[in-house]
Amino acid sequence: GAVVSQHPSRVICKSGTSVKIECRSLDFQATTMFWYRQFPKQSLMLMATSNEGSKATYEQGVEKDKFLINHASLTLSTLTVTSAHPEDSSFYICSALDRTQDGYTFGSGTRLTVV
Amino acid sequence: QQQVKQSPQSLIVQKGGISIINCAYENTAFDYFPWYQQFPGKGPALLIAIRPDVSEKKEGRFTISFNKSAKQFSLHIMDSQPGDSATYFCAASGNAGNMLTFGGGTRLMVKP
Repeated sequence: GAVVSQHPSRVICKSGTSVKIECRSLDFQATTMFWYRQFPKQSLMLMATSNEGSKATYEQGVEKDKFLINHASLTLSTLTVTSAHPEDSSFYICSALDRTQDGYTFGSGTRLTVV
Repeated sequence: QQQVKQSPQSLIVQKGGISIINCAYENTAFDYFPWYQQFPGKGPALLIAIRPDVSEKKEGRFTISFNKSAKQFSLHIMDSQPGDSATYFCAASGNAGNMLTFGGGTRLMVKP
C-alpha cells in the first residue's frame, strides 16, 4: 500500500531555532499533502494544505510565516517551524492524498520539543 | 463548529467483547468516511472506510455501519483484543482532494 515517510520522528531544539520536517510519498505521487498538529489526548488539527508547485493554504489561526510549507515536488513536502518556542512543542503529522487509491496516507509523525 | 462529533471519548471493553464507537456529521457534502487507529507516538493508520452508497462494510473484525438519513456512522470491533487498545478517530471528507475533518477521538482499552 501507499507509504508516507516522515522524518525526523523526534526532534529537540532550542528556542529561537528553526526545525524542518520532511514527508515523502514513497510509491505514489502526492499532488496534495496535509499538515496536522496534535496535542496530547486531542484530535488532529489541520494546519495547512499544500499542492505541488503552489503556495500552501493555511487554516485560520495558523501563522504562515512561522510554519513554512514547501511542496516543490510530487513526492516531497516540508514543514519548517521557524523561530520555535516552547508552545510550538507538539506532534506534527503529514498526510498525502493518493488519488490512485482514493485515500489518505499518514506519516508516522514528528514529536517536536522546544526547550 | 465541530463538524464531526465522536462518542464516547473513552471506552473499556473486555477481551472478546464488541467495541462500538459512534460518529455524527453535519455536512451533507461529505462522501467519504474513514476510520483511523492511532497508537501512542505514531501517525493514524487507516482501518476501514465507507462511502454513502452502501450502509455497511466489513473487513475482518471491523465493520462500519452507515446511516445516511441520520448522518451517522459507527465502527464495530468484534472479538476485541488487548492489541486493539488504541485511539480511534472517525473522519469525513467531501469531493476528492478535500481535507479530512476528524472526530474528537475515542480511547479504547481492551482488558484481558
